[in-house]
Amino acid sequence: KNQVEQSPQSLIILEGKNCTLQCNYTVSPFSNLRWYKQDTGRGPVSLTIMTFSENTKSNGRYTATLDADTKQSSLHITASQLSDSASYICVVSRNAGNNRKLIWGLGTSLAVNP
Amino acid sequence: ETGVTQTPRHLVMGMTNKKSLKCEQHLGHNAMYWYKQSAKKPLELMFVYNFKEQTENNSVPSRFSPECPNSSHLFLHLHTLQPEDSALYLCASSPPDRGNQPQHFGDGTRLSIL
Repeated sequence: KNQVEQSPQSLIILEGKNCTLQCNYTVSPFSNLRWYKQDTGRGPVSLTIMTFSENTKSNGRYTATLDADTKQSSLHITASQLSDSASYICVVSRNAGNNRKLIWGLGTSLAVNP
Repeated sequence: ETGVTQTPRHLVMGMTNKKSLKCEQHLGHNAMYWYKQSAKKPLELMFVYNFKEQTENNSVPSRFSPECPNSSHLFLHLHTLQPEDSALYLCASSPPDRGNQPQHFGDGTRLSIL
C-alpha cells in the first residue's frame, strides 16, 4: 500500500534550537519527494524537491535528506525562528503512466516558542 | 502574494444553498487543481484540469461541480452540501510539463456547512 508517514505528529522547540522532522514512505515506483510548509490559514508552500538520485537539498535554513534505499527523508531546520511555526508536509510522487500520483503525509505541526 | 488567488477566504452556507469558489492564477500555468484539506486527514485531490480540459476526477460527489473557462480561472460550484464537506478547499496550479504536480497553492477557502 502506498503510504507516507510523518513523525513526530507535533513538536515544540525553543527559538534558536535545531530540529529534525521525519518522513517514511512505502510508495512505489518512486518519482520524487517534496517538503511543503503550511502556515496557519495559508496554502502549502514548496520548500524542497528531491529525485531518486539526490540525497540532500537545502533551502536557506531548511535541509532535506533522502535515503531512497530505506525510503526515508528528513527535514532539518537550523537556528529556528518564530516564523518557522507551521505544519510541514511530506509528499511523495508515484509514477503512474503519463501522470504522477501524489501521496500526502499528515504533516508535523511545529511550534517555535520564544 | 502566492500567485494563486482564491475567493472568498471564508464561506458559511446552509445545506440547501448554492455557492461558488473562485481561483485565479496569472503565473502562465496551464494545469489547475482543486484539493480538499480536512483536519487529521491528508490533502485529497478532487479535480485536475489541463489546458481547460478536466483530466482527473477523484470520485468526487456530484454536489461539487468544477468549471474551468480558461487556463487562468477555476471555479468550484457547490450545491446541497453535507456537514462533512466542511473543510479548507485549496486551489493549485502548475506548468504543463510537471506531470500533474502542483507547484503553487492558493491560501484556500475555509468552508463551513451549517
